[in-house]
Amino acid sequence: DAGVIQSPRHEVTEMGQEVTLRCKPISGHNSLFWYRQTMMRGLELLIYFNNNVPIDDSGMPEDRFSAKMPNASFSTLKIQPSEPRDSAVYFCASSYRGRGLAGGPISGYNEQFFGPGTRLTVL
Amino acid sequence: AQSVTQLDSQVPVFEEAPVELRCNYSSSVSVYLFWYVQYPNQGLQLLLKYLSGSTLVESINGFEAEFNKSQTSFHLRKPSVHISDTAEYFCAVSPVTGGGNKLTFGTGTQLKVEL
Repeated sequence: DAGVIQSPRHEVTEMGQEVTLRCKPISGHNSLFWYRQTMMRGLELLIYFNNNVPIDDSGMPEDRFSAKMPNASFSTLKIQPSEPRDSAVYFCASSYRGRGLAGGPISGYNEQFFGPGTRLTVL
Repeated sequence: AQSVTQLDSQVPVFEEAPVELRCNYSSSVSVYLFWYVQYPNQGLQLLLKYLSGSTLVESINGFEAEFNKSQTSFHLRKPSVHISDTAEYFCAVSPVTGGGNKLTFGTGTQLKVEL
């Protein structure tokens, strides 16, 4: 298994430019998470999807950030316009969350597998 | 809501010495507990987890952690560290029910093993 794939691995851009980060989750996983890691704030959850639907975006810092998951094998995190304070490492993670007989999600633990991250520098 | 506190941002230790990385958490609901490890320029890897049952959990590379409910702690220990253990270690929690398996992380502890 290739694991979670993120691209690009490194991105350097100038303030005001649009930045798009990409993530391919592990095949068969149906939950996807975007995290941001900074020295000041550590690891923060930005948004997560379940079955391609955004469930909780309360961690998205502001309207400049948006995330999409058009299908089960691809997600993007976009920053427009970018600012120097957006400089961070952005991680994508995926997990599998099963469904019970009634169709609702099964509670319990589902391990999250992390990608290698995208290091974003906004000048 | 949950919060995780890792008081030690850096822990230097000599090779073959024991080490303890501290983790305390706060939560109004029951949680699962985790330790993740991040090697330089890599993503996070799950080191060990507590879900239920025995409060002492172990990893395959000699780390162990003990869940202490009364002290709301989940400290990570290793009796004898190796150079290859140099990495950043993150403690995390996730609510047992609800929350969609969201992880709340501590700020991390940089373990530096020296010869």
